[in-house]
Amino acid sequence: SAVISQKPSRDICQRGTSLTIQCQVDSQVTMMFWYRQQPGQSLTLIATANQGSEATYESGFVIDKFPISRPNLTFSTLTVSNMSPEDSSIYLCSVRRGPSTDTQYFGPGTRLTVL
Amino acid sequence: AQSVAQPEDQVNVAEGNPLTVKCTYSVSGNPYLFWYVQYPNRGLQFLLKYITGDNLVKGSYGFEAEFNKSQTSFHLKKPSALVSDSALYFCAVRARSNDYKLSFGAGTTVTVRA
Repeated sequence: SAVISQKPSRDICQRGTSLTIQCQVDSQVTMMFWYRQQPGQSLTLIATANQGSEATYESGFVIDKFPISRPNLTFSTLTVSNMSPEDSSIYLCSVRRGPSTDTQYFGPGTRLTVL
Repeated sequence: AQSVAQPEDQVNVAEGNPLTVKCTYSVSGNPYLFWYVQYPNRGLQFLLKYITGDNLVKGSYGFEAEFNKSQTSFHLKKPSALVSDSALYFCAVRARSNDYKLSFGAGTTVTVRA
């Protein structure tokens, strides 16, 4: 498994502002993922972040709205830009250690409320 | 394309009774199947997975799941539920041809009453 921490655990933000969420893993991992869980909904993959390359975004998500950094093999950030109330969600970081590792492990999530 | 259906939004059982949470999937080729649990204000915790081999998979906290290829199902079971099993459960699938993308079901809220 993996020990994954996220900061902040929760935040309340004003519309039009941006929030950067940090994800830290206790060991090096190849693949990191960012998910969104809207209220009462399932998880939706936002993007995949591999170290040394640009993040790959899923349909419906764009880099201008959700810029991602992956400076090393244990850390990533997701920024939610120009927020609106519709961005109120739980944002979760997830990791896999390599192509031979099948399981994704999740961080505790960041609960974001946009007023 | 790959998808998961969890037909029940909620499952209610009495403590000590068997618990079943249903999941069916659709995927091209052979699947990787997963169950996760989410407690209030917590992230997702991995419970168990089916990759290959025995159709009956045993996981954490006394949970097990049975892979049924003909019925494209992967139901989660626990012989004797505990109040502490009350949580939100997600089934997820990934096609073997797909390197990374998990598709999640809508989730099933389990309530175990004392």
